[in-house]
Amino acid sequence: ILNVEQSPQSLHVQEGDSTNFTCSFPSSNFYALHWYRWETAKSPEALFVMTLNGDEKKKGRISATLNTKEGYSYLYIKGSQPEDSATYLCAFGAGSYQLTFGKGTKLSVIP
Amino acid sequence: GAVVSQHPSRVICKSGTSVKIECRSLDFQATTMFWYRQFPKQSLMLMATSNEGSKATYEQGVEKDKFLINHASLTLSTLTVTSAHPEDSSFYICSARPGTPGAETQYFGPGTRLLVL
Repeated sequence: ILNVEQSPQSLHVQEGDSTNFTCSFPSSNFYALHWYRWETAKSPEALFVMTLNGDEKKKGRISATLNTKEGYSYLYIKGSQPEDSATYLCAFGAGSYQLTFGKGTKLSVIP
Repeated sequence: GAVVSQHPSRVICKSGTSVKIECRSLDFQATTMFWYRQFPKQSLMLMATSNEGSKATYEQGVEKDKFLINHASLTLSTLTVTSAHPEDSSFYICSARPGTPGAETQYFGPGTRLLVL
């Protein structure tokens, strides 16, 4: 059974603050690491797919880094806005397109 | 682009009835579709992988006769929960992977909340 851990489970930040959270995954048989943003009552939205050790990806105020050797990825949000409030999921892919998900980090941005 | 719809969004049924959930890729062809289940405070758990025109591959512990999956076209997969019982109450969500070579991203539907009384 693959273990994908996300921390923290939830956090509250003030509007304008920057924040980050962690996804840890097995360091063996790595193929890809996915980040999704999931707002209530909507479909999870794909943010990043990362495949190479040292990868850094950016989408607006959101960025992510990847360390496959030690098995972790960080997601950063710069200058959080209320619309960033969502659950952020990471998912580990071991090569067969099947994904193993973490439980997510629930972010609440307080205006 | 890359929109996946899922229907119904919510269903309540009596124990012993069967429920069908549809997953459609609206603007792309999906070689592979995935079905997940999520219990409260748990992660999305893969139930099965379905490829168009072939039998679905079920994860360990998922009964194939209980959860019937049909992937009859490149844009539609269905999950039928047969003879549903209260313990089948859960959140079911599908995803679809485009057939483009090298495409890694899975696009998700909005999910279906099933309540079996």
